[in-house]
This record gives sequence, C-alpha cells and structure tokens, in this order.
Amino acid sequence: RKEVEQDPGPFNVPEGATVAFNCTYSNSASQSFFWYRQDCRKEPKLLMSVYSSGNEDGRFTAQLNRASQYISLLIRDSKLSDSATYLCVVNDMRFGAGTRLTVKP
Amino acid sequence: GAVVSQHPSRVICKSGTSVKIECRSLDFQATTMFWYRQFPKQSLMLMATSNEGSKATYEQGVEKDKFLINHASLTLSTLTVTSAHPEDSSFYICSAHTRDIYGYTFGSGTRLTVV
Repeated sequence: RKEVEQDPGPFNVPEGATVAFNCTYSNSASQSFFWYRQDCRKEPKLLMSVYSSGNEDGRFTAQLNRASQYISLLIRDSKLSDSATYLCVVNDMRFGAGTRLTVKP
Repeated sequence: GAVVSQHPSRVICKSGTSVKIECRSLDFQATTMFWYRQFPKQSLMLMATSNEGSKATYEQGVEKDKFLINHASLTLSTLTVTSAHPEDSSFYICSAHTRDIYGYTFGSGTRLTVV
C-alpha cells in the first residue's frame, strides 16, 4: 500500500461548483499534513496546512480525520484559476499522486 | 518570504555525461533539503533527504552512486546525476525546510533532457 493515496481524478467542474478531494495515508503516527497546488511544469506551492481542528482560508477548507486516516480539501465557488493539480503531503514531504482539477466556464 | 534558487532551470546533455543541479536558500538556512523527481503526468517522487553536514538518506530504489547529493552548507545543496542516460530525463526539484520557517519552500525545478 502506498504511503499516501489520492482520488484519481481528473475532476472537471463548471465555474462556481464545489469540489472536494480526499487523500488517505497509511502511517497512523503521521503528524503533519499539507495541501499543495502545482501548475503545469511549475514547482508545487503551499496551498494550506491541515490542522487537527480543520481550517479554512477563503474558499478553501481543509480537514483531518485521524480515525479514518485521511485529509480532505474542499473548494467552494471554484474559479477558472483554480485549475491545477492538487497534491497532498504527509509528514516528511511524501506526496500523493495528485488530483487534476479543471474548472470550465 | 523564503526563496530557494535552483539552477539550471533547463539542461540538455549527452548520454554518459554528468549534470550538477544546485539549490540555494537565499534568505534562510536550510537544515534539510529534499530532492524529488517528477515524470510527465506523475507525482513528485522523493529521491533523497539531506541534512547539512551529513550523508543523504536515499529512498528505496534510488541509486546513491548515480545521484550524488552534497549538502555542505546551510545554504547550498547539490544533486549530481552521474553518467546520465535518456531514462534519467525528468523534472528534478528541491525543497528546503528549516525549523525557523513553517512549511517547505521549493526551488523552481530543473528540466533535464538526456540525448
């Protein structure tokens, strides 16, 4: 089993839609969790950290479920500029395979 | 904010030659550097983790004699791809971490093409 697994995607949604990604991890002792965004042929950029109590940043909400060992990212009112690959990261910078999101007009 | 400068951004080399990629932390000290490789439409795969002043820890399946990592100072880490072959063609990217700064900062990546 991979250490970090993500929804396969791709997700193609219309503007304004709400979309959610999940990411499961295998190491129950994992302590740190992040969501990164990667645009085509660019380096990943930190989108947000994931805290135990859940956290929100504008249209983005991240949550952690330790019991089921997964983290989630919710994007509300999606914009065209949200089109990218979203990567979850657990612990020592181990990345999930990424979920590609395309937001269409 | 924290900046990691990675060079070169793009390199084309002949099969059998070696290529060195540098990552410099410009305004902070990087105690740990992660090196990744990414093939088209695939995720970043961690190759190795290096700590300043000590030997790098390589992931399973990564040849340490082929991918030489040096982290001689708190601001510079290098990855040398030795005796490169076409199958080494990939996007290589570094990420730095320091306890003083929350999160990790990526270099802009190096696109290596071996012909």
